[in-house]
Amino acid sequence: GAGVSQSPRYKVTKRGQDVTLRCDPISSHATLYWYQQALGQGPEFLTYFNYEAQPDKSGLPSDRFSAERPEGSISTLTIQRTEQRDSAMYRCASSLGGREVDTQYFGPGTRLTVL
Amino acid sequence: AQSVTQLGSHVSVSEGALVLLRCNYSSSVPPYLFWYVQYPNQGLQLLLKYTTGATLVKGINGFEAEFKKSETSFHLTKPSAHMSDAAEYFCAVSGPGGSYIPTFGRGTSLIVHP
Repeated sequence: GAGVSQSPRYKVTKRGQDVTLRCDPISSHATLYWYQQALGQGPEFLTYFNYEAQPDKSGLPSDRFSAERPEGSISTLTIQRTEQRDSAMYRCASSLGGREVDTQYFGPGTRLTVL
Repeated sequence: AQSVTQLGSHVSVSEGALVLLRCNYSSSVPPYLFWYVQYPNQGLQLLLKYTTGATLVKGINGFEAEFKKSETSFHLTKPSAHMSDAAEYFCAVSGPGGSYIPTFGRGTSLIVHP
């Protein structure tokens, strides 16, 4: 696609429910990143993929968080048993490769609110 | 470890005035430095980046930033602010052979008033 898209744009859920967020990266991009951005903060790294491989999950805050990219294109981020502290903007970005200098292109984000 | 400090969560300028957004970093390796802009309801967009070479980097929309190793700074400037520059600005650092994932600052909200 022309840019990175994310869905849904807004998600309101009740504490204890599972949610799944979707990211559709730029089609030629090998690398995909997930970030969590709390209000008034910058994006914080969660995990990333090179195609379908997931070399780094170090930023995932707990085992309730998981991500997939089974065919090396679209990715999903799932949060199980959501808690109020999970409320944040979740951002996806993609880049052509995974090098430090590669420009990351960000999607508009999914605003998650856990009641 | 790498980190970024953006001084001032909000900066207010008049239209036509100089814009200066401050960013200081710490990194154990020579850094790669980035400035991103975020307009309301949109994703972050790269303004400019420094990797190697010339320390003065020019970006889109008339913005530029200068890498000053001695001051560990990468401040963003624009000679004349436009109303359309009102947005959130994020500085980020990553490092070759070190942490390849960028670390972002907390952001600075630029307010431009007529």
